[in-house]
Amino acid sequence: NAGVTQTPKFQVLKTGQSMTLQCAQDMNHEYMSWYRQDPGMGLRLIHYSVGAGITDQGEVPNGYNVSRSTTEDFPLRLLSAAPSQTSVYFCASSYSGTGNRYYGYTFGSGTRLTVV
Amino acid sequence: DAKTTQPPSMDCAEGRAANLPCNHSTISGNEYVYWYRQIHSQGPQYIIHGLKNNETNEMASLIITEDRKSSTLILPHATLRDTAVYYCIARFASSYKLIFGSGTRLLVRP
Repeated sequence: NAGVTQTPKFQVLKTGQSMTLQCAQDMNHEYMSWYRQDPGMGLRLIHYSVGAGITDQGEVPNGYNVSRSTTEDFPLRLLSAAPSQTSVYFCASSYSGTGNRYYGYTFGSGTRLTVV
Repeated sequence: DAKTTQPPSMDCAEGRAANLPCNHSTISGNEYVYWYRQIHSQGPQYIIHGLKNNETNEMASLIITEDRKSSTLILPHATLRDTAVYYCIARFASSYKLIFGSGTRLLVRP
C-alpha cells in the first residue's frame, strides 16, 4: 500500500514548455485533488475529481488541465508553463463522506516545480 | 463552506498541552470541522474531524462548543515534532472540496 505517489519530485521547466505531473493512489479513493502551495502561503485548490470521468475546477484552475480516466490516476497538465506557476504541487485523495471509512485526505509528498 | 478564523501563530512549551482555537461563527448545521497540519514542507496530514460532539483519537482531541461557533484542537502533550502549521476547515460532508485557509503556525519550545 503506497498511498499517494507523485512524480517527479523535482522539475525545472522553461517558459512555454508543457508537462504532466503524475499522481497515483492505490487506496481505491473516490476523491482526488490537486493543490499548489507558493512559498510562505497556504494551499490553493487547482482541480478536483469525484470519480473516474468527473472533474471540476477549484480556486486557481487557469493554465492547468486534468483528466481522470481511472480511479487510481489523476494527472495534472501544464499547457504552457509560466514563471507564475513556480510552486510546490500536492496531490491528495480521500474516500467520500464522513463515515467510518473516512480518514481524511491523504496527501502525496509533492512536486517542486520551477519555471525559468 | 463556512469561513474559519485562526490566530496566525502560537507557541507552547514541550510537554504541555497545546490548545489551538478556531472560530467558525457562520457554520451551518451539517458542516463538519476538520483539522489538518503541515509539518515543514511536507504534504498536509489529517488530524481529526467532528460535527457537534467532542472527538478524540490517538493524535488529538477536538472540542466543539455547544453553539458550534468555535472549536479547539488540543494536543495533550506537545512535542517538538508537533511544530507545524495547523489548519481548521469547515466543510459539508457532501462537499467534494477541501479549501485551506492560512492556518496557525504552532511553535513548540524546548
